[in-house]
Amino acid sequence: NAGVTQTPKFRILKIGQSMTLQCTQDMNHNYMYWYRQDPGMGLKLIYYSVGAGITDKGEVPNGYNVSRSTTEDFPLRLELAAPSQTSVYFCASSPLLDGMGEQYFGPGTRLTVT
Amino acid sequence: GESVGLHLPTLSVQEGDNSIINCAYSNSASDYFIWYKQESGKGPQFIIDIRSNMDKRQGQRVTVLLNKTVKHLSLQIAATQPGDSAVYFCAEGAAGNKLTFGGGTRVLVKP
Repeated sequence: NAGVTQTPKFRILKIGQSMTLQCTQDMNHNYMYWYRQDPGMGLKLIYYSVGAGITDKGEVPNGYNVSRSTTEDFPLRLELAAPSQTSVYFCASSPLLDGMGEQYFGPGTRLTVT
Repeated sequence: GESVGLHLPTLSVQEGDNSIINCAYSNSASDYFIWYKQESGKGPQFIIDIRSNMDKRQGQRVTVLLNKTVKHLSLQIAATQPGDSAVYFCAEGAAGNKLTFGGGTRVLVKP
C-alpha cells in the first residue's frame, strides 16, 4: 500500500490564483480529512468526509472547497488564493474501528501565496 | 470552542533519560486521545492512543496516562533516543472521528 499520497509537494501561487491539492488513499478508508498547519502550530481541520458523496466543514473552511466523488480521492480546492493561506496542508484518512480511529497522514503540500 | 493544549513548548532531554510530555484538554466528552509524532518535513505519525475509559496504556517504550479528574494527558518515552527528536502532538477524538489537535511540544534529545 502507498498509504496517503499528496500532490504537489510544493507550490507557489500568486494572490488571486486558484489550485487543487490532490489527495489519494489506497486503504479503502471511509473517513478523509484536510488540515492546515501554520509554522510552529498544531493542525487545524479544514474539511472532512465520512464517505463518498459526503463532506462537512471543519474549524477553518473559509476559502476552500472539497469534493468526494470516490472513496480514494479527496481533492482540496483553493479559489482566489490569499497570503493567509500560506501553510502546509496535510491530508489524512481513517478507518474508524470500534469508535476510535487512528488517522494516517500524507507527506503534506507546502503552499506559499505571494 | 473546545481545545487541547500543551504545557511545555520545548523539552530538552539527555539521551537515555525518560521524557514526559504533558497535555491539557478541555472537552470532557472526548471518547479517546491520540499522541502523534511529527518529524521535520513529514506528516504526523501515530504513536499511541487511549480510550476515555482507561487511565493507562503502554506501547513499545511509550506509556500514555490519562487523568480525567484534572483533564490531563501525558506521554512518557523511556530511554529517549536521538530518533525521538520531533514535535509531539496530543489530539482528542469525538463523534465522527474528528480530532482536535494541541499546539505541539518539541523534544530535543541531547547526546
